[in-house]
Amino acid sequence: EPEVTQTPSHQVTQMGQEVILRCVPISNHLYFYWYRQILGQKVEFLVSFYNNEISEKSEIFDDQFSVERPDGSNFTLKIRSTKLEDSAMYFCASRLQGKFDHGYTFGSGTRLTVV
Amino acid sequence: GQNIDQPTEMTATEGAIVQINCTYQTSGFNGLFWYQQHAGEAPTFLSYNVLDGLEEKGRFSSFLSRSKGYSYLLLKELQMKDSASYLCAVMNTGFQKLVFGTGTRLLVSP
Repeated sequence: EPEVTQTPSHQVTQMGQEVILRCVPISNHLYFYWYRQILGQKVEFLVSFYNNEISEKSEIFDDQFSVERPDGSNFTLKIRSTKLEDSAMYFCASRLQGKFDHGYTFGSGTRLTVV
Repeated sequence: GQNIDQPTEMTATEGAIVQINCTYQTSGFNGLFWYQQHAGEAPTFLSYNVLDGLEEKGRFSSFLSRSKGYSYLLLKELQMKDSASYLCAVMNTGFQKLVFGTGTRLLVSP
């Protein structure tokens, strides 16, 4: 079964530092997403990415956030200057075009702790 | 705006049947998903409904009524490993982001 791979699994960073979360989506998928889940809360949409550009972003995804697909395989989320409230589990997801019966495939997540 | 409601917690006994309900109000609807999430892990796909009616997949079934903004996930022959959170998520039109409910934590006891 193809997987979405995320690294690192855990990241601890000091407030104000930059972090880059990495994802390798499934190779033939065309739509890519970042979601986050603060402990005990619901999964929240951050951003969607298609055809090498952001297609939609939420209010959470402010100027401190950016995404990039630097090559054909990696999809990264950068937080420029982390805040305590950025502590959460960050999930990358991908899907095929027009194929919903297999759902969106989520990676195993990166647990980000800002101290 | 968008609103997705699920019960916070449910309990059931091994071998029993449980139904987890989800109601939604959304500005654009392109389908509804159910995901299972064990603590500290990624959501895993269970089902997708876009047309009214029941979709059955082994021990799990999912129902959708678009006119009522209502779905349920039915789990039969419950096993201990089914203890997890069950997330209802609506897919929007456009670029089709998923909007999640808060999830229902299911505890299966012996």
